[in-house]
Amino acid sequence: DIVMTQSPDSLTVSLGERATISCKSSQSVLYSSNNKNYLAWYQQKPGQPPKLLMYWASTRESGVPDRFSGSGSETDFTLTISSLQAEDVAVYYCQQYYTTPPTFGQGTKVEV
Amino acid sequence: QVHLQESGPGLVKPSGTLSLTCAVSGDSISTSNWWNWVRQSPGKGLEWIGGIFHTGNTDYNRSLKSRVTISVDKSKNQFSLNLTSVTAADTAVYYCARGASYHHYCLDLWGQGALVTVSS
Repeated sequence: DIVMTQSPDSLTVSLGERATISCKSSQSVLYSSNNKNYLAWYQQKPGQPPKLLMYWASTRESGVPDRFSGSGSETDFTLTISSLQAEDVAVYYCQQYYTTPPTFGQGTKVEV
Repeated sequence: QVHLQESGPGLVKPSGTLSLTCAVSGDSISTSNWWNWVRQSPGKGLEWIGGIFHTGNTDYNRSLKSRVTISVDKSKNQFSLNLTSVTAADTAVYYCARGASYHHYCLDLWGQGALVTVSS
């Protein structure tokens, strides 16, 4: 199975400041035939299910604010919140869907 | 608006079978989507259990494959999870989730989740 490792485990950021989360996969999730990275990001708020934020590593899901951005390729990925808002307090997970079983990172808790 | 809702017993005895159903509303289950089960426990984080297509094709996490069955009931627009020989390690919140149209393991819609506790 592909192992997804996120860092840091938790992050405290002031309102309006930038938050950056790293995700590393144990093998490349870039499919060479279509040049797509099979990497998604989810946001989970307390008592709620995960919500898809980003797919193909850098494509925002419909309705996701543009302060959220994703970058990276192959084995190294980043989720950036450019200006943290109070409603962004949550746990963020990366997930690879390159191969079965799809696997998730352990999560990064973002606090204010 | 498509909505997923899990239902089933919240308490299962050790060595018993965990059974959950996910009702799909707002759309037909017979679309091009895959339908998945994911669980979340404090010890293991988010873990994909398996998925099913409306034709009955399935894919299971090999770590659970010997104990898992996922089935679909198109007449009721729902799909189900059975997990046998449960132990305390299977205590978790169980989510049903829809695979996105562009990839069946990218999960674009989730149910609210069902807490299942394994205890005597």
